[in-house]
Amino acid sequence: DQQVKQNSPSLSVQEGRISILNCDYTNSMFDYFLWYKKYPAEGPTFLISISSIKDKNEDGRFTVFLNKSAKHLSLHIVPSQPGDSAVYFCAASRGNYGQNFVFGPGTRLSVLP
Amino acid sequence: GAGVSQSPSNKVTEKGKDVELRCDPISGHTALYWYRQRLGQGLEFLIYFQGNSAPDKSGLPSDRFSAERTGESVSTLTIQRTQQEDSAVYLCASSSRTSTPDTQYFGPGTRLTVL
Repeated sequence: DQQVKQNSPSLSVQEGRISILNCDYTNSMFDYFLWYKKYPAEGPTFLISISSIKDKNEDGRFTVFLNKSAKHLSLHIVPSQPGDSAVYFCAASRGNYGQNFVFGPGTRLSVLP
Repeated sequence: GAGVSQSPSNKVTEKGKDVELRCDPISGHTALYWYRQRLGQGLEFLIYFQGNSAPDKSGLPSDRFSAERTGESVSTLTIQRTQQEDSAVYLCASSSRTSTPDTQYFGPGTRLTVL
């Protein structure tokens, strides 16, 4: 039973436009949420996080929005660049520590020039 | 080294053989994690080491899987009597446990194929 879901396996966006990646979770006790980016043949790299006491966190072109009532978060990338093409994993955690992270299956983003 | 390294990058083995996967974490990172990623699925937690504490083995799928870590350095994940369902990418990560939330740094993974 997946606790963290990313229902879109893939997404294509034109360069310069907004990319929106979605993630849904089932456990209302999760209090930290993270996004990781993964290029082929490399390990995932941390991108941005948000705690459950916030509804928005921004870092440059990347913004994560959290809707606790809907158990939904999204990652917005504006403007999208070809170098953003990668697999994006959503993760959720009850508590701060890595062993509690639950990862979604990932969404492959393709940014077309 | 600058990042987490793993070896081998690829491993092809026959069903029933034992395999050993290696992880070199970032120097100074006290925490080390092993994950498995099957095709089309998310990262599945296997085991966690923190300093000299007893490891958290709650994610190991069967007693064919075991892992060791020497102090706060190298870790090896051993899979005995491999089965075809063990085919996956095995990822190692380390962290310093000083950020909130814990920021994990991942290696490139070992792709295991069991024939």
